[in-house]
Amino acid sequence: EVQLVESGGGLIQPGGSLRLSCAASGFTVTSYYMTWVRQAPAKGLEWVSLLQSGGGTYYADSVRGRFTISRDKSKNTVFLQMTSLRADDTAVYYCARDRLNYGIDYWGQGTLVTVSS
Amino acid sequence: QSVLTQTPSASGTPGQRVTISCSGSSFNIERNYVYWYQQLPGTAPKLLIYTSDQRPSGVPDRFSGSKSGTSASLAISGLRSEDEADYYCAVWDDSLSGYVFGTGTKVTVL
Repeated sequence: EVQLVESGGGLIQPGGSLRLSCAASGFTVTSYYMTWVRQAPAKGLEWVSLLQSGGGTYYADSVRGRFTISRDKSKNTVFLQMTSLRADDTAVYYCARDRLNYGIDYWGQGTLVTVSS
Repeated sequence: QSVLTQTPSASGTPGQRVTISCSGSSFNIERNYVYWYQQLPGTAPKLLIYTSDQRPSGVPDRFSGSKSGTSASLAISGLRSEDEADYYCAVWDDSLSGYVFGTGTKVTVL
């Protein structure tokens, strides 16, 4: 059974850093595209970043240069390193598996990041 | 501000047909496949439609997707109370080199 479990969220001050983890089971993260999507309180979905199976990375303009997506094959885990955090980064962050033409087919339960002083 | 525009809300009575539109551009919808996601309150999104008009296994055939030019649509026929949710379109945007999600449509079953 495919499962994605995010962790690492919490309250952080503006300008701070945080690393989110997404532990996968039921498949190998290096064989699939993996993506992060966030949702600010009472707002819509916003795509954040994509990690291709071949290692290529893509970022939304709003996070490029501040966020880094990566993975650890031995832990079957995907990470989102977030730096220079701002209040408008406050959101639930979802990790998801992207099957390209078949869509984003599995999502984690999300982890809440709150950026506030 | 999203480059994909959706009507903020739609509603219908049980059994009715509701259509949700998603308006984009030549850089996204016209060139690439459209995806639709359903988000029930307090839960993660769920894939409803892929490659613009295909349903994953387990998604009822009451849901159908279509695309024409720079616009796409999701239709829900035989509306049911459990369809009350937020619906988002999504597509890869070649000019942004990233995915974009629509602004979202809240469907209410009256």
